[in-house]
Amino acid sequence: SYVLTQPPSVSVAPGKTARITCGGNNIGSKSVHWYQQKPGQAPVLVMYYDSDRPSGIPERFTGSNSGNTATLTVSRVEDGDEADYYCQVWDSSSDHVIFGGGTKLTVL
Amino acid sequence: QLQLQESGPGLVKASETLSLTCTVSGDSISSPYYYWAWIRQPPGKGLEWIGSFYYSGITYYNASLKSRLTISADTSKKQFSLKLTSVTAADTAVYYCARHEFRSELANMGVWGKGTSVTVSS
Repeated sequence: SYVLTQPPSVSVAPGKTARITCGGNNIGSKSVHWYQQKPGQAPVLVMYYDSDRPSGIPERFTGSNSGNTATLTVSRVEDGDEADYYCQVWDSSSDHVIFGGGTKLTVL
Repeated sequence: QLQLQESGPGLVKASETLSLTCTVSGDSISSPYYYWAWIRQPPGKGLEWIGSFYYSGITYYNASLKSRLTISADTSKKQFSLKLTSVTAADTAVYYCARHEFRSELANMGVWGKGTSVTVSS
């Protein structure tokens, strides 16, 4: 079945840029969605269809998807961005929703 | 405003059946634009998709759970349910319900319930 690979952790200083990757075979041909989850809370959609931002999500969050890697970029990182981030696709070959393993973003 | 609320027992004995319900307010589960999903998260681990259904009866199940899983809906009550049989400690998790957007395929889950914690005891 289709596998999405995320780095377990990414660390960044406040005000800098964090890039969280999601790797998958030809993922550029799929639509990628991203969720932010803070401790004890339900996930929140922060990016959909690769690069569309839901209302209420800051413009500091951007997304891209090409080749074998999708990327969620968080610019001017703030303390409040510290969370786990998950990528997600629909795999039409198996009719499955696939989540990446998650990346913990730590703000130094 | 759309809200989803999971409900069900927080403790289930091993080998028994886990039953959860998601109650939807602010939308109809008969909408042609959305699927409805169950997702779970074991303690300290990542998200695992359980399954999704469409009001017409189309369902997609995680293959690893399919033999034990039933997702159904009561549109008049605006509820959809999950039944997972023969549970083990590995089924201990926070269980979430969510709404899928649907265009040509199942897409993002834009609205989630707060989640309900289920522990399987021996």
